Amino acid sequence: DTAVSQTPKYLVTQMGNDKSIKCEQNLGHDTMYWYKQDSKKFLKIMFSYNNKELIINETVPNRFSPKSPDKAHLNLHINSLELGDSAVYFCASSGAARGYSPLHFGNGTRLTVT
Amino acid sequence: SQQGEEDPQALSIQEGENATMNCSYKTSINNLQWYRQNSGRGLVHLILIRSNEREKHSGRLRVTLDTSKKSSSLLITASRAADTASYFCATDGETSGSRLTFGEGTQLTVNP
Repeated sequence: DTAVSQTPKYLVTQMGNDKSIKCEQNLGHDTMYWYKQDSKKFLKIMFSYNNKELIINETVPNRFSPKSPDKAHLNLHINSLELGDSAVYFCASSGAARGYSPLHFGNGTRLTVT
Repeated sequence: SQQGEEDPQALSIQEGENATMNCSYKTSINNLQWYRQNSGRGLVHLILIRSNEREKHSGRLRVTLDTSKKSSSLLITASRAADTASYFCATDGETSGSRLTFGEGTQLTVNP
């Protein structure tokens, strides 16, 4: 059973479109995250939710909106996609909001904006 | 500024050799973690070392932490082709709130 699963794995779309990425974890964790990995493999946190409450909101354009319907799900909606949004987006979860708990990552969604 | 910088950026060795990767960071930390990322996959947690620990082992992995130098190293002994991956350190800073900050990674290639 996949612990953290995100869909779709690949997403190719045109500039200006709106798209969503879904994430679900079956680990019973309270905290979930979205990370963005650029072409140089640099990983940067975007958002974090703890038990459905937003606790981290990094400097991310407000075209990106996370939604957590319950603590097992954290979706990412992106409006008006731009070329610079092309990257791999990773969902992750952890058993604690603080950084002393290891992160469990999904396998990523490769977003390509043309 | 980015917390956690790995060195070297790329490392190529032969199977059976040891691989050492280093990580330096800038601010005080609660703990430091190492992750592996295989091509096209998510990151996988390898080991966590707390700020009051100096060395930790897990199988063929050995991690050291020197808080006075703000650096850590990951040693993989008797490497295998399956160890080929990118390796990242991540720091839980004392003032970073709930966020882990990742370095840029070391690409390790183990040649059979």
